[in-house]
Amino acid sequence: QKEVEQNSGPLSVPEGAIASLNCTYSDRGSQSFFWYRQYSGKSPELIMFIYSNGDKEDGRFTAQLNKASQYVSLLIRDSQPSDSATYLCAVNPPSGYSTLTFGKGTMLLVSP
Amino acid sequence: GAGVSQSPSNKVTEKGKDVELRCDPISGHTALYWYRQSLGQGLEFLIYFQGNSAPDKSGLPSDRFSAERTGGSVSTLTIQRTQQEDSAVYLCASSFGQGQEQFFGPGTRLTVL
Repeated sequence: QKEVEQNSGPLSVPEGAIASLNCTYSDRGSQSFFWYRQYSGKSPELIMFIYSNGDKEDGRFTAQLNKASQYVSLLIRDSQPSDSATYLCAVNPPSGYSTLTFGKGTMLLVSP
Repeated sequence: GAGVSQSPSNKVTEKGKDVELRCDPISGHTALYWYRQSLGQGLEFLIYFQGNSAPDKSGLPSDRFSAERTGGSVSTLTIQRTQQEDSAVYLCASSFGQGQEQFFGPGTRLTVL
């Protein structure tokens, strides 16, 4: 059974701090991993994807993937109040599944 | 270029009526997905299209739900005899191919009175 687990939060951090969002997945053969941001009342927006073990940086965002431990994380440096949203982790399971498997999301609150 | 578009943005209907929701994917995207998201909940997969065919309809909650895609582009999700539990935001997403990053439309908020 394919599962993607995220802590529902809320994760509260002060402005300027590093926010660390974590995600674990059950299907060891999963191949690609995505982070989406969803503001309240809006649709999910893709912010990063990662395919290989290690880190991938894009501006203030860093995605980290560890396939051996089956976790993927998203770090947000210099967090801003505008980063307050729900962050969804999505995993592409091995062939045979039609769509990405989405976690239920972690709510991030950045206080000024 | 244009993103995924959906219409209407909001739909209020009475219990028992039929509704049609439309999705126009990003040009060139062969894969199209419908999801449902109830208030405060995660994404619920409904159906996946590859081109005009729907190899995975496993998420459709009942036979009142159906969807089609024509010309490998626009898709319509139809809900017959709507029930109050159908109230949710219906999201459409598209991607170049299965398993690749999906781009979401703005959603249709359906309210069944």
